[in-house]
Amino acid sequence: NAGVTQTPKFQVLKTGQSMTLQCAQDMNHEYMSWYRQDPGMGLRLIHYSVGAGITDQGEVPNGYNVSRSTTEDFPLRLLSAAPSQTSVYFCASRWRASYNEQFFGPGTRLTVL
Amino acid sequence: SQELEQSPQSLIVQEGKNLTINCTSSKTLYGLYWYKQKYGEGLIFLMMLQKGGEEKSHEKITAKLDEKKQQSSLHITASQPSHAGIYLCGALAGGSQGNLIFGKGTKLSVKP
Repeated sequence: NAGVTQTPKFQVLKTGQSMTLQCAQDMNHEYMSWYRQDPGMGLRLIHYSVGAGITDQGEVPNGYNVSRSTTEDFPLRLLSAAPSQTSVYFCASRWRASYNEQFFGPGTRLTVL
Repeated sequence: SQELEQSPQSLIVQEGKNLTINCTSSKTLYGLYWYKQKYGEGLIFLMMLQKGGEEKSHEKITAKLDEKKQQSSLHITASQPSHAGIYLCGALAGGSQGNLIFGKGTKLSVKP
């Protein structure tokens, strides 16, 4: 199994540009989520999904969109990038039921100029 | 909303020394996760504690859950340079969705 994969690893955008961060998992996990990690702020939940066709907002959803058309994929879209969205983004997945290990992808380091 | 506070924020220890990292929740803990992150990399799952009083070990790392204190501690025995990194605690937030919230992390450096 490849686990949780994310692309790209690094990205530089200009203010106002849009882009999609890709996330895929091959473990048939129902639950997937996106976090951003900023210095001194820890990991903050952006959006999550409990299954295909179901998404919901986390703690810091503004400026981001998600969709879940398949169990495997959970892309994160930046609609109009802002410097405040410069961060490291992590995708995670696990079995729907709680108390299971949550697997993380390697992260995408995004810089918005 | 629930918050997790980790202490200390950073720690520098001499190789071979023991150390403890604490994670305190503002609300009842239903499940506590410990992860390790090497600088610039992803998160590696260490262990999960579910029940009060539960204690788990992985190699030289031991974690305990104290339900009454709403706290978990991570103890490393005879630290090695390979233990260096950022340790993050995560907990199941209230509600049915099972979202994980995280503390801000403890940065550990081990001097050879």
